[in-house]
Amino acid sequence: DAKTTQPPSMDCAEGRAANLPCNHSTISGNEYVYWYRQIHSQGPQYIIHGLKNNETNEMASLIITEDRKSSTLILPHATLRDTAVYYCIVPRGRRALTFGSGTRLQVQP
Amino acid sequence: GAVVSQHPSWVICKSGTSVKIECRSLDFQATTMFWYRQFPKQSLMLMATSNEGSKATYEQGVEKDKFLINHASLTLSTLTVTSAHPEDSSFYICSASGTGDQPQHFGDGTRLSIL
Repeated sequence: DAKTTQPPSMDCAEGRAANLPCNHSTISGNEYVYWYRQIHSQGPQYIIHGLKNNETNEMASLIITEDRKSSTLILPHATLRDTAVYYCIVPRGRRALTFGSGTRLQVQP
Repeated sequence: GAVVSQHPSWVICKSGTSVKIECRSLDFQATTMFWYRQFPKQSLMLMATSNEGSKATYEQGVEKDKFLINHASLTLSTLTVTSAHPEDSSFYICSASGTGDQPQHFGDGTRLSIL
């Protein structure tokens, strides 16, 4: 998988937008960016993925820079249940995913 | 959406026991499933790739005779931890994906505790 870099931790106030950055400067032209999160003691949960255009679903928005070397996951109105470790992953092909350390997001009441 | 079911969610057993964990894709066919292991305060580590109808591919350092994988159908893979010991206690997680660029989906994990 292409290497990704994320801040180790972030805090966000409940109800505010949480913006989680990810650098993936070695990404190739046909590789997607995937975001997952892992809430304590559960399996990872798929959030969103994208290639070059910005994407939005019921959970989040994904903003990918024009050069595709970085992206930002946006949770528009964070709740306490969004407290989790968030992983940005750029897999090569259809192989297993490589999980780094991710960003530990703590949503504060 | 796609769902992966994993069973059991937790198991406690005595040292020397063999434990089987099931991973099912509920609404799609998965020719490939993956098994991960996660120790406390660490990230997920891939153990093996399970291929339907053929032998699994194990990561370096994972004993294939200890962690038996069977992928007999397009919706079911099983991981058997044979003669489990306390050091095998961990959180075991499976994943599967459908076709094309569909994302991988994960089971809820199995917490294994060996006494």
